[in-house]
Amino acid sequence: ILNVEQSPQSLHVQEGDSTNFTCSFPSSNFYALHWYRWETAKSPEALFVMTLNGDEKKKGRISATLNTKEGYSYLYIKGSQPEDSATYLCASASGNYGQNFVFGPGTRLSVLP
Amino acid sequence: NAGVTQTPKFQVLKTGQSMTLQCAQDMNHEYMSWYRQDPGMGLRLIHYSVGAGITDQGEVPNGYNVSRSTTEDFPLRLLSAAPSQTSVYFCASREQGNSPLHFGNGTRLTVT
Repeated sequence: ILNVEQSPQSLHVQEGDSTNFTCSFPSSNFYALHWYRWETAKSPEALFVMTLNGDEKKKGRISATLNTKEGYSYLYIKGSQPEDSATYLCASASGNYGQNFVFGPGTRLSVLP
Repeated sequence: NAGVTQTPKFQVLKTGQSMTLQCAQDMNHEYMSWYRQDPGMGLRLIHYSVGAGITDQGEVPNGYNVSRSTTEDFPLRLLSAAPSQTSVYFCASREQGNSPLHFGNGTRLTVT
């Protein structure tokens, strides 16, 4: 099993700061890259599914980019708010139908008011 | 629309006992999967299914069995529980193709 890495492990920012996280994944047998937001005591919720090299996706203040050739994705949060506090997971989907998921350990974000 | 439903929410077992974690979805998703979540580690795939009658192993399948007799249900069986199987278990489903996973609320299992 090839690892999916995320950095940093945790991050504390002030309200209003912009921040970004990194996800690195094996570029071989790549099918898709997923980002999820996981709040404490809840289940992970999908943010983005990205497939094409150079893909950029945006949802409100959150955006993500994808580089499949070098095997990394960035997640950006602009103007962080306390409600953005959560663990952000990325997952690499591989296999003929993207059926095999490998998750990274997550980046825990705390936004201080 | 209930989404993905897992039962039970909590379970305590003794070493050697067997049990089944239930997972049901009402979204007509072909793909279903089971993960375990341990401190300091990402979600790890145990087993998955791409449709009724089809199952396959993920990263950590040892000690777990699955079957998929209907589109809606994907139970996870522990035949002889071990303390190493103490974890939080998540079931997730999705449509085929490049669609996101929908997760259940998790089952916290403790094996003593």
